[in-house]
Amino acid sequence: GENVEQHPSTLSVQEGDSAVIKCTYSDSASNYFPWYKQELGKRPQLIIDIRSNVGEKKDQRIAVTLNKTAKHFSLHITETQPEDSAVYFCAASISSNYQLIWGAGTKLIIKP
Amino acid sequence: GAGVSQSPSNKVTEKGKDVELRCDPISGHTALYWYRQSLGQGLEFLIYFQGNSAPDKSGLPSDRFSAERTGGSVSTLTIQRTQQEDSAVYLCASSPGVQNTEAFFGQGTRLTVV
Repeated sequence: GENVEQHPSTLSVQEGDSAVIKCTYSDSASNYFPWYKQELGKRPQLIIDIRSNVGEKKDQRIAVTLNKTAKHFSLHITETQPEDSAVYFCAASISSNYQLIWGAGTKLIIKP
Repeated sequence: GAGVSQSPSNKVTEKGKDVELRCDPISGHTALYWYRQSLGQGLEFLIYFQGNSAPDKSGLPSDRFSAERTGGSVSTLTIQRTQQEDSAVYLCASSPGVQNTEAFFGQGTRLTVV
């Protein structure tokens, strides 16, 4: 079946530095790639998404890049802050039925 | 409703009992997902509904687990003869069910089997 791989599983960065999380997907016809943030004890919430007709999208300190040829997409967080500490999930939609397939998650730790 | 609503928010049950978890999706959302999340772990996919049908139920861990959706709206996840390893947070999400659309999560049901 379709799958999404996410790396790394844990990422620890110094406050103020950048963080990058990468995902690869298997369905070459996938065309929607959201990123979710889950803070401790809370539900996952969308932070940014990208559609396959664009290669990059930015929203303040976060950005997502998409490489359709290589079938991978990445989340970039610049100038990290303590409140960025959370688990981040990527997902890709299956072209046949739009079901979202999720990565395993990345625990981001921001060191003061 | 304003968002995805799940009930109960917490459930403690004795091993061997059956439990029902409910999800009320956002009005008009045709796609509905159930996930299981153990402490500190990722989202374990259970089942996906489009309307009342389930094109993908491959994530249900055993025949003790079942789910249904009626009227294209409310969904119920039933766990029969609960085991301690069933203890987890069960999350429901819904989306409009068309291309390129966000999924919205409920707050989850924390199930504890004692």
